[in-house]
Amino acid sequence: QTVVTQEPSFSVSPGGTVTLTCGLNSGSVSANSYPSWYQQTPGQAPRTLIYTTNTRSSGVPDRFSGSILGNKAALTITGAQADDESDYYCALYMGSGISVFGGGTKVTVL
Amino acid sequence: QLQLQESGSGLVKPSQILSLTCAVSGGSITSGGYPWSWIRQPPGKGLEWIGYIYHTGTTYYNPSLKSRVTISVDLSKNQLSLNLRSVTAADTAVYYCARGGGRYANWFDPWGQGTLVTVSS
Repeated sequence: QTVVTQEPSFSVSPGGTVTLTCGLNSGSVSANSYPSWYQQTPGQAPRTLIYTTNTRSSGVPDRFSGSILGNKAALTITGAQADDESDYYCALYMGSGISVFGGGTKVTVL
Repeated sequence: QLQLQESGSGLVKPSQILSLTCAVSGGSITSGGYPWSWIRQPPGKGLEWIGYIYHTGTTYYNPSLKSRVTISVDLSKNQLSLNLRSVTAADTAVYYCARGGGRYANWFDPWGQGTLVTVSS
């Protein structure tokens, strides 16, 4: 069974930079995995940040960027702000019409 | 601006059918050939992709739910529906609808606000 892996938690200082990753328990992530990233605060619906590896959704500030780092997808937050404190989920396309979400990363800004 | 709004029963008894609808406004389901998706999130847990449908009626489902799920579309009402059969407490979750992006719902944007469904007797 394919599992999408994310770090459970990360802490970043205000103004700092943090890179979250999204991998596979078996195999490598590539552009053909169409990595996407979502931000979710408690009680709210997810907000789309990034799709197709590095395309920002409408209205997303440019301090959020996506990339492929080695065999994983990555989301980098540059110049972290207090309201970036959220859960972040990635999703990968597995082929055959199927997508899988990662377990999420809780980011704390302090 | 495209908006999605989920609605349906908030409480379902075990072994019964969970039924939800997602009303789409600000755009037509038939426009652009997008896949329209359902995603759920159990309380305190992560997101799980359920499946999606095109306006043609073609569907794709999560293999782990495929035997219990049906997604349909009503073009006259510009809405999609989700039926999940034989529910258990493990199906308790916030259910979201979202428009898929790419040919095979490779990403999801925008999302509805979600609706909580509790499975309990």
